[in-house]
Amino acid sequence: DAGVIQSPRHEVTEMGQEVTLRCKPISGHNSLFWYRQTMMRGLELLIYFNNNVPIDDSGMPEDRFSAKMPNASFSTLKIQPSEPRDSAVYFCASRAGTSGNEQFFGPGTRLTVL
Amino acid sequence: AQSVTQLGSHVSVSEGALVLLRCNYSSSVPPYLFWYVQYPNQGLQLLLKYTTGATLVKGINGFEAEFKKSETSFHLTKPSAHMSDAAEYFCAVSDSSGNTPLVFGKGTRLSVIA
Repeated sequence: DAGVIQSPRHEVTEMGQEVTLRCKPISGHNSLFWYRQTMMRGLELLIYFNNNVPIDDSGMPEDRFSAKMPNASFSTLKIQPSEPRDSAVYFCASRAGTSGNEQFFGPGTRLTVL
Repeated sequence: AQSVTQLGSHVSVSEGALVLLRCNYSSSVPPYLFWYVQYPNQGLQLLLKYTTGATLVKGINGFEAEFKKSETSFHLTKPSAHMSDAAEYFCAVSDSSGNTPLVFGKGTRLSVIA
């Protein structure tokens, strides 16, 4: 099993540019989560999907952030326009819809906005 | 609503000493409880989890945790710390529905001194 796959692993961009982060969940998992991790705020849940449907996006910081899950095997998190304060590590996690509730995390994308 | 409190953002122990990382939770329903570990520049990995049954749970790398309902606690222990245990540890809680995200604590950074 390849686990949760995220790309790119590192992204450096300039303020104002559009950034797209990608996630491939574990096959067969029906929930997907996007998190942001910073030193100041720790681990924050941004949005999560069940069966490709966004359930709770209350953690999305601003309208500049958007997330989609067009099918069960792919999700994107987009920031447009990006700002330096968006610099963080962004994690994607997925979970099977069975009792036990374990979430499997990807390796993360380290985003630096200059 | 559910919440997790991890006492101590940073714990330092000597190599070979007991590791004790504290976690208290709040939940209005029977909780599922988790400990995750994050090594530098990596995603979160599951150490162990409690769902039902035996309240003493054993995980990977010699860690274990005990669910104590009366104390609403799920402390993580390891009898003898190893240098490789230096990492960030997160406690998390969820309900049993499989439909809601894990609620994470703020994390505890464990340092191991030679």
